[in-house]
Amino acid sequence: EIVLTQSPGTLSLSPGERATLSCRASQSVSSSSLAWYQQKPGQAPRLLISGASSRATGIPDRLSGSGSGTDFTLTISRLEAEDFAVYYCQQYGSSPYTFGQGTKLEIK
Amino acid sequence: QVQLVQSGAEVKKPGASVKVSCKASGYTFTGYYMNWVRQAPGQGLEHMGIINPSGGSTSYAQKFLGRVTMTRDTSTSTLYMELSGLRSEDTAVYFCARGRGGYFDLWGRGTLVTVSS
Repeated sequence: EIVLTQSPGTLSLSPGERATLSCRASQSVSSSSLAWYQQKPGQAPRLLISGASSRATGIPDRLSGSGSGTDFTLTISRLEAEDFAVYYCQQYGSSPYTFGQGTKLEIK
Repeated sequence: QVQLVQSGAEVKKPGASVKVSCKASGYTFTGYYMNWVRQAPGQGLEHMGIINPSGGSTSYAQKFLGRVTMTRDTSTSTLYMELSGLRSEDTAVYFCARGRGGYFDLWGRGTLVTVSS
């Protein structure tokens, strides 16, 4: 099973700042099969990125994904109020599909 | 409107079973694999398994083998997830999610299952 470790656990930033979230895999994720989700309290997760770098429909270009192999990054270039939430990475390159433990992005 | 509508919250006693439903609309039900993901209170996401609505074939995560059963009714575009032998650790929100080659692009709002004596 591929274990995904996200860092930091909590990230405190101000609106307008840049956020960099990391997701490291215990072994290589095949074909960059890595997705990112955003979850707000009481809501279902929302797909942001698939294939490590492809934005989902309706996701602004302030959000970008990068990486390959074992190291992946989600970058939010200019934080807006709506971006403060919990973010999860997920690998789907091998079974079982697994998620990271999440990074909470909070307002400083 | 493309959506997944899940059944309401459940409270069950330890040892009992629960069956959660997920009704799909707005797209071709048999065209996408479907998944169940759960989230314990304050915790992360855990993939439970996958079902092909077209043929009904399933694949379950090792952790849930023998306790989970995923089925579907193509006449009503509804999925079902039944979990048996409930214990307190099964208290969680259970989500259905549409699969797109392994990632999940459409989610239900979740069903809270509480296991308590």
